Amino acid sequence: EVQLLESGGGLVQPGGSLRLSCAASGFTFSTFAMSWVRQAPGKGLEWVSSVSGSGGTTYYADSVRGRVTISRDNSRNTVYLQINSLRAGDTAIYYCAKDGGWGLGSGKYWFDSWGQGTLVTVSS
Amino acid sequence: QSALTQPASVSGSPGQSITISCTETINDVGTYNYVSWYQQHPGKAPKLIIYDVSNRPSGVSNRFSGSKSGNAASLTISGLQTEDEADYYCRSYTSSNYVIFGGGTKLTVL
Repeated sequence: EVQLLESGGGLVQPGGSLRLSCAASGFTFSTFAMSWVRQAPGKGLEWVSSVSGSGGTTYYADSVRGRVTISRDNSRNTVYLQINSLRAGDTAIYYCAKDGGWGLGSGKYWFDSWGQGTLVTVSS
Repeated sequence: QSALTQPASVSGSPGQSITISCTETINDVGTYNYVSWYQQHPGKAPKLIIYDVSNRPSGVSNRFSGSKSGNAASLTISGLQTEDEADYYCRSYTSSNYVIFGGGTKLTVL
């Protein structure tokens, strides 16, 4: 059974930084791309970033490019999201999601498993 | 920039069928075969219910079906049940936006 467990959320002041983690189990981690999707309170889903199975290719939404870095440690079955220069608009539940394939070119563009999310609140 | 447009809300009575549309605006129609749909109940994580336009993952009820015509994808739920009341999101892939989501549709089962 696929399990994704996010951690690292919390209350952060504007301008601060945070690193989210997502520990995965139940599948061959290195063969699947992983993604982060966020949802602001009362709003819809917003894709944030994805990383290929190997970790060699990353993708970012325009809204976070330059402030966010996604990475993964395939030896630890964990994907990370570093968010810098946090602003109120970053307040959201951040979900970790498993892609259907290894990344761009796989032809499997869907999220077949999701974690329960970790809440990031940016406020002074 | 591509975008996916969904109706904000739809409603139906138990036993009825409803359809939620997801219309792609602007370019990259050629890659619009990569449409997936997600169901999200309040306070819960999203769940994949349709991938590649019309395929159902194992364990998803066959009351859920997907289709596409031109630049418009659709999710149909037949035999509506109270537990179908949730938010529904479409998602696609384009060469310029690796992942795009529709704005979401709130389904109310009357």
